[in-house]
Amino acid sequence: RKEVEQDPGPFNVPEGATVAFNCTYSNSASQSFFWYRQDCRKEPKLLMSVYSSGNEDGRFTAQLNRASQYISLLIRDSKLSDSATYLCVVTRSFYNQGGKLIFGQGTELSVKP
Amino acid sequence: DADVTQTPRNRITKTGKRIMLECSQTKGHDRMYWYRQDPGLGLQLIYYSFDVKDINKGEISDGYSVSRQAQAKFSLSLESAIPNQTALYFCATRSGRGPNEQFFGPGTRLTVL
Repeated sequence: RKEVEQDPGPFNVPEGATVAFNCTYSNSASQSFFWYRQDCRKEPKLLMSVYSSGNEDGRFTAQLNRASQYISLLIRDSKLSDSATYLCVVTRSFYNQGGKLIFGQGTELSVKP
Repeated sequence: DADVTQTPRNRITKTGKRIMLECSQTKGHDRMYWYRQDPGLGLQLIYYSFDVKDINKGEISDGYSVSRQAQAKFSLSLESAIPNQTALYFCATRSGRGPNEQFFGPGTRLTVL
């Protein structure tokens, strides 16, 4: 079983739709949580960090449930420019491992006109 | 100019050849990482370095070696390339202080024939 697992894609949605991505992680020692965005054939870029209290950045809302080891990303009012692969990422901060990111395989989103 | 650069951006080589991929950064970060990305597998950590005297293996270091020539430079070598090393390779950097965000280079697409 992979340490970080995401919904299989692709998600094909019309402009304006609301879409939700789910992610689960298996290591309860995971300490930090993120969503990265990766455009086709380009480098991943941080979309947002995820906090236990939930956090919002414009049309994007991230939630973390530590008890269930579950992370979500909600995108409201989808735009064509949201088309990308969304990567769920966790870190484990053992001694001398600081900042090592564990990536999910990614979920592809395609927003259509 | 990009903060994290990688050279070459694309490379086609033959089985058994020695290949070096180079990464440079101007962010002043002390931590640097090498990942490979294969379709459907997400990013996997090959090696990471906390400073010029600190090199650590990641999950998939077999067949690879690295050199941290300076704080700003971290190179990845394939001593004898094989076809299953065909992948997209990313270098990333992170500050040793503050948020866990990693900044990625644009990637090197390597094909081993």
